[in-house]
Amino acid sequence: NAGVMQNPRHLVRRRGQEARLRCSPMKGHSHVYWYRQLPEEGLKFMVYLQKENIIDESGMPKERFSAEFPKEGPSILRIQQVVRGDSAAYFCASSPRRGNNEQFFGPGTRLTVL
Amino acid sequence: QKEVEQNSGPLSVPEGAIASLNCTYSDRGSQSFFWYRQYSGKSPELIMSIYSNGDKEDGRFTAQLNKASQYVSLLIRDSQPSDSATYLCAVNMAAGNQFYFGTGTSLTVIP
Repeated sequence: NAGVMQNPRHLVRRRGQEARLRCSPMKGHSHVYWYRQLPEEGLKFMVYLQKENIIDESGMPKERFSAEFPKEGPSILRIQQVVRGDSAAYFCASSPRRGNNEQFFGPGTRLTVL
Repeated sequence: QKEVEQNSGPLSVPEGAIASLNCTYSDRGSQSFFWYRQYSGKSPELIMSIYSNGDKEDGRFTAQLNKASQYVSLLIRDSQPSDSATYLCAVNMAAGNQFYFGTGTSLTVIP
């Protein structure tokens, strides 16, 4: 399966813990986008990365959230000291190049904060 | 004004009918437009992309773009119950890297 992979699919954390979400893009894709979707709401852009570079993090909360896409390995979205409001579905999408190109989504990680 | 707006629905059509989904966007310089389908509890699935004014057809789906009116639509011909889902409109604004998504239109195809 050459699709976008995300893990874990479901993640439960208690308030104050850290959450790490992983995304492996489609083969041949070097651009990764992270989105958050709250119930009954649309997808909200968080961050756009290429290998070893954060291109646009304008949608990312200033505190507790960080993202990386190392030279080797998956992209990681990290949420420190989670709060209940962080409970959401987090989707990763990849595209072969920036801008006017199609994004393909992974299955998402459902984060629940107790 | 939101960057991308869609009627939330729900939109109900009988099986075999044409479903028409609409989307407007705020940035006149936008260049790329996409329609995604999202089943409940699943991730968005790309249906169509359109970049130029006019119509683009792919099977039972037709995307229509009118940049002057800042309007993009999706027509689904011969609607099937399996088309019942939420349809998301996405726009790549001219100025940046972000893709803005509408909140989606819920479609129900009644057998």
